[in-house]
Amino acid sequence: EAGVAQSPRYKIIEKRQSVAFWCNPISGHATLYWYQQILGQGPKLLIQFQNNGVVDDSQLPKDRFSAERLKGVDSTLKIQPAKLEDSAVYLCASSSASGAAYNEQFFGPGTRLTVL
Amino acid sequence: AQSVAQPEDQVNVAEGNPLTVKCTYSVSGNPYLFWYVQYPNRGLQFLLKYITGDNLVKGSYGFEAEFNKSQTSFHLKKPSALVSDSALYFCAVRDRGRSSNTGKLIFGQGTTLQVKP
Repeated sequence: EAGVAQSPRYKIIEKRQSVAFWCNPISGHATLYWYQQILGQGPKLLIQFQNNGVVDDSQLPKDRFSAERLKGVDSTLKIQPAKLEDSAVYLCASSSASGAAYNEQFFGPGTRLTVL
Repeated sequence: AQSVAQPEDQVNVAEGNPLTVKCTYSVSGNPYLFWYVQYPNRGLQFLLKYITGDNLVKGSYGFEAEFNKSQTSFHLKKPSALVSDSALYFCAVRDRGRSSNTGKLIFGQGTTLQVKP
């Protein structure tokens, strides 16, 4: 089966600009996650969707970050305006239909964002 | 609050020797525990998980991990390391006590495994 797709793979922008990332999860996976992975750290959850509803966005900086999952399939994560500290790899992951906590997550290749 | 600690930034081992990558965790209830591996410029790949039952869990590529409740540990092991095992390894925990669809997956900071020929 096809894996989690993300685009673009790399993005370089200047601070205060906006940027958007796209994710297409594994077919049939109802749960979708966006993580931020800063160099030298483990991934940190930004937002979790179950179908097209938000389950957890407690760690999403809502003054500048937004995410949507229209129709419960693919998703976009947007940053506006970007700050230097947003430089990181943004990972998308999905898990099976039940979304149960014991299900493993399948990760995409990530988007490496550099903010200058 | 949930947390995961990987006390070693890097583990070096010779090819053919056994390897251990350490992980300890803290949760309020009982945990679900996971190991993921990350190769350069790639996303994380699932290796294995502990849900319940046998404390020794076997996973992909010959890896296994032992759940020790009294020591709150979930160390990753392999009897004979390969050069191709060199990568970044992450331990992660999720609180079982949460409802089925909530509760964050918390990752450790990662341990770089270097296997030398």
